[in-house]
Amino acid sequence: GAGVSQSPRYKVAKRGQDVALRCDPISGHVSLFWYQQALGQGPEFLTYFQNEAQLDKSGLPSDRFFAERPEGSVSTLKIQRTQQEDSAVYLCASSLVTGAEQFFGPGTRLTVL
Amino acid sequence: DAKTTQPPSMDCAEGRAANLPCNHSTISGNEYVYWYRQIHSQGPQYIIHGLKNNETNEMASLIITEDRKSSTLILPHATLRDTAVYYCIVRVKGSSNTGKLIFGQGTTLQVKP
Repeated sequence: GAGVSQSPRYKVAKRGQDVALRCDPISGHVSLFWYQQALGQGPEFLTYFQNEAQLDKSGLPSDRFFAERPEGSVSTLKIQRTQQEDSAVYLCASSLVTGAEQFFGPGTRLTVL
Repeated sequence: DAKTTQPPSMDCAEGRAANLPCNHSTISGNEYVYWYRQIHSQGPQYIIHGLKNNETNEMASLIITEDRKSSTLILPHATLRDTAVYYCIVRVKGSSNTGKLIFGQGTTLQVKP
């Protein structure tokens, strides 16, 4: 079956541009997570959804970062006015229920020039 | 969630067992030990998890010490495709916790021919 997919796989943005990153979780998975992975580092938690409810956004680094999952399926991570320090791989993961094994997508590599 | 300590890198000969250690001396009684790995340019992949008993699946074995302060992930017959960064994570399992994963630096395992 299909796994978690993310698009685009690569995104280059000029500093100050807005970007939107898409995540298609595994069908039927209740939980959805976004992580940020800087070069050479482990992934860092950004935010968590249970269905359409964003229950934890404690990892979002600033108010320029916004995530949504309006119908409890596809999720979008939006970054406004991108800065160079936003350059990273953004990973999406989903799990069948809260606390279960997480399945990760391949990530979107964002480069801000 | 408890913090873990792993060696930054390890080498293993192809076909031999790879033994990856992890220290988690501050683990709580309700925290599980999880292992994920991340192959280059891919998202992390779940391997195995356990509470206090040793666990085995088709990918690996997990040995947890009796005091639960450390564990070892064993890949019984390492192949070149097992070259990856391996992350040891401890967290509470179940619906009372969002399930977010807190990754450390991990161990880079290099399997050599």
